[in-house]
Amino acid sequence: ETGVTQTPRHLVMGMTNKKSLKCEQHLGHNAMYWYKQSAKKPLELMFVYNFKEQTENNSVPSRFSPECPNSSHLFLHLHTLQPEDSALYLCASSQAGGGAHNEQFFGPGTRLTVL
Amino acid sequence: GIQVEQSPPDLILQEGANSTLRCNFSDSVNNLQWFHQNPWGQLINLFYIPSGTKQNGRLSATTVATERYSLLYISSSQTTDSGVYFCAGRSGSARQLTFGSGTQLTVLP
Repeated sequence: ETGVTQTPRHLVMGMTNKKSLKCEQHLGHNAMYWYKQSAKKPLELMFVYNFKEQTENNSVPSRFSPECPNSSHLFLHLHTLQPEDSALYLCASSQAGGGAHNEQFFGPGTRLTVL
Repeated sequence: GIQVEQSPPDLILQEGANSTLRCNFSDSVNNLQWFHQNPWGQLINLFYIPSGTKQNGRLSATTVATERYSLLYISSSQTTDSGVYFCAGRSGSARQLTFGSGTQLTVLP
C-alpha cells in the first residue's frame, strides 16, 4: 500500500464508450501525475498537476482529458479511444516544486483494454 | 530532458545469487529513484537516492552523481524479487522524471 489508490483496476471499453479513471492520494502531496505504460515500453508521462493546475501535457491526444478538482484527486476522462490506447495507466503523487525532494509514489494502475 | 539507460535489459538468476543493475544518465540529476514493478503492475519504491549509498535489507543502492550512474545491488535473490526494475531521474532544469527501459529480472527456484 503506497498511499495512492486507483479505480477501477481493470477496464474494458469499446471505441465509442466514455469512461473515467480515478486516482486518490492520502499522502498530503500537492502534485499528481498520469503515466501510460504500453507493453514492453517504459513509462510515458502524460499529465502533471501542481496545486490543481496543469503544468505538463506531453502532446497527449484530446481523447484523454484530465481533471484535478483538488490536490488529493485526479481523474482521466476517456472518450473515443483507439485499440492502441490499451495500456496500463498509472497515477503518481509527490510534493510539488522543482526541487529535489519530490519522491513520487505510484498507485496500482488501471489496466485498460480498448476493443 | 535527460536520457536514462539501464543495463542489462534482462537477467536470469538462480535463487540465492547476487546481482547488480546499472542506470546511466546523460546529465546530472537531483532526483533519482529505483522502483520494482511486480507482475500485477504495481510500482514499489525501493530507493530515493540522488547521491550516496543506502541499504534496505537485501537491497542496496549507490549513486555516483559526478559520474552519472547509479547501481542497485540485490543479494541472496529470492523468487519474489522477480519483476522489472526501473530507475528514473530528473535533472535540475526539468520538471519531470525520465524513466529507463527497465531490467527484467527472473529468479528461478
